[in-house]
Amino acid sequence: EPEVTQTPSHQVTQMGQEVILRCVPISNHLYFYWYRQILGQKVEFLVSFYNNEISEKSEIFDDQFSVERPDGSNFTLKIRSTKLEDSAMYFCASMGQGARVGGYTFGSGTRLTVV
Amino acid sequence: GNSVTQMEGPVTLSEEAFLTINCTYTATGYPSLFWYVQYPGEGLQLLLKATKADDKGSNKGFEATYRKETTSFHLEKGSVQVSDSAVYFCALESGNTPLVFGKGTRLSVIA
Repeated sequence: EPEVTQTPSHQVTQMGQEVILRCVPISNHLYFYWYRQILGQKVEFLVSFYNNEISEKSEIFDDQFSVERPDGSNFTLKIRSTKLEDSAMYFCASMGQGARVGGYTFGSGTRLTVV
Repeated sequence: GNSVTQMEGPVTLSEEAFLTINCTYTATGYPSLFWYVQYPGEGLQLLLKATKADDKGSNKGFEATYRKETTSFHLEKGSVQVSDSAVYFCALESGNTPLVFGKGTRLSVIA
C-alpha cells in the first residue's frame, strides 16, 4: 500500500537554528498538508498546499515557517529560526484528486526537539 | 470555530475488556466525523468515519455512531486485544476546512 514517508524520524536542533522536515507524499496525490502535535496537546493544522501554492494556513504558520515542493516529489517544511516551543511531532499528509471524505494519508511523523 | 474534545488517557484495559473512548465536538455546519489510530512507530491511519447523523462507522471490531443530538462520536469495541494498543484520535472535517483533531487517547491493553 502506498505510504507517505517522513524523514528524519527524530531531529534535535539548537534554538535559533533552521530546520527542514522532509516528506515524500504518495506519487499521484495533489493536496499536501502539515500538522503538528505538541506533547500532550491536540494535533493542530499548520498548512495546506495545492498546485504549488499554499491554499490555507493557520495562525501558527507565521513568517518563521515555509513550505516547498522543490522537485515534484518532496514536500518540505522549513522553520527558519527554531524556538523551544516548536518542539513537537510534525505530521505530513497527502490526498489525491477526487478523494473521498477523510481520504488523507499521513506519514509516521518527525519528532522535533529544540534545545 | 470547530473543535473536538476526547477523554484524557491513558486508558489501560485487560484483554477482552470493553472499550469506550468518549468524543464530543463543536462545529458549524454538518461535519464529517472520524477516528484515527496511530500504532507505535506508524502514521495516523483512518480507523472509521461517519458523514451524517445516525451513521455508524465500523472497522476491525470498532464502532462509533454519529449522534447529532449529543454532538458525540464515542468509539467502542466489545473485546479489545493487545494489538489494539495505540493512540486514538477523534477528528472532524466541515466543509472545506482542514481536519480538526482531539488530543488523542493512549490505549494500552495487557494480556
